[in-house]
Order: sequence, then structure tokens, then C-alpha cells
Amino acid sequence: QKEVEQDPGPLSVPEGAIVSLNCTYSNSAFQYFMWYRQYSRKGPELLMYTYSSGNKEDGRFTAQVDKSSKYISLFIRDSQPSDSATYLCAMSDYGGSQGNLIFGKGTKLSVKP
Amino acid sequence: KAGVTQTPRYLIKTRGQQVTLSCSPISGHRSVSWYQQTPGQGLQFLFEYFSETQRNKGNFPGRFSGRQFSNSRSEMNVSTLELGDSALYLCASSFLTGIGNEQFFGPGTRLTVL
Repeated sequence: QKEVEQDPGPLSVPEGAIVSLNCTYSNSAFQYFMWYRQYSRKGPELLMYTYSSGNKEDGRFTAQVDKSSKYISLFIRDSQPSDSATYLCAMSDYGGSQGNLIFGKGTKLSVKP
Repeated sequence: KAGVTQTPRYLIKTRGQQVTLSCSPISGHRSVSWYQQTPGQGLQFLFEYFSETQRNKGNFPGRFSGRQFSNSRSEMNVSTLELGDSALYLCASSFLTGIGNEQFFGPGTRLTVL
């Protein structure tokens, strides 16, 4: 079983839809959770960062962590065509180095006008 | 403020050759990390440098090496290229090391090994 599992999609939704992106993980020691967005021909950019469990909201984006189920989610409200990208989850059990981040393979999202 | 720059953007090499990729971090950033991204394996950590010292290394063979200069610019080298080394190589910089310091990624170098 891979440490981090992420449905690769592709996921296609109409503009204005609520999008739910998810990752599951096996290492119960993970406590740092991140979501990155990667546009085509670009490097990833950090969207959301959560430490331990709970919810975090930033504009149209909400990140949720459920450590009991080893499950994290990213919700996008009122999705826009500009949200079309690949979304990567990442997590770590140790905060001392970026090198401990384990990334999911990414979910490709397409928002149709 | 200029972002992370990587050169070259595209590279084609043949098996057995070696390659050097370059990364210029955001001004003032002292931590530089390198990643390999492939469709099959996703984004995998190669190594991290901070103030010219390698702080962490991923699970890659010794053919992959790197270094950081006093101006924080970094290079990575892959020797004896294999077909499986074809990938997007990403560099990321942050002000300090550690998860709490946001990483900013460059656009990557697309390496194709024939």
C-alpha cells in the first residue's frame, strides 16, 4: 500500500460547481498536510497548509483533515475555469525538512465554462 | 520579486551521458530543494541544500548529485543517464528550511533521455 493515495482523475465539472479532492494515507504519524496546485508547464504552488487536524478556509478553498480516518480533502466552491489544474496533496510526519514531504500523484481537474 | 528560475527549460540527452541542471532561487532564500516528477511516480524528493550544506537526501542512486553555491544558486548533476531518468526536474526555494517555510517552485527542466 502506498503511503499516500490520490485519485488521478481526470475530474471534469461545470463552472460554479463545488469540487471535492481527496487523499488517503497510511502513516498515522503524518501531522503536516498541504495542497498544491500545478498548472500545465508550471511548478506546483502552495494552496493550503494545515498542521494536525481540523479545517482551514481561504477564500473559495477549504482544507479538511480527518486523522482518525487518515483522509484529507480540499473543497473548491464556485469553481472557475482558472481552477483547471492538477492538484497535489502532500504530507509529512516531521517538520524539520521539506524532504520528508510525501506527495500524492495528483488529480487533474478541468472546469468547463 | 523574481521567481525561481531554472535553466535550461528543455534538454535532450542520450543514455550514458551526463547532465547538469541549474537553479536560481528567489533572492534572499537560502534553502533549495530538488524534485523529480514523472507520471508514474509523481513528485519525488531528491535533495535539499541550506547554506551550501546538504541537509537531506531522497532515495535516489548516487548518480544523482547536487551542490549549492555561496549565493544560494544550486546545480544538480545526473551521470550515466538512463532512459528512466526522463522526467521534469523541479527546483524549489524557501527562506529557511523546514515544513513551515513555504516553498516556491520553478517551472522545471524537462529532461528527455533517448
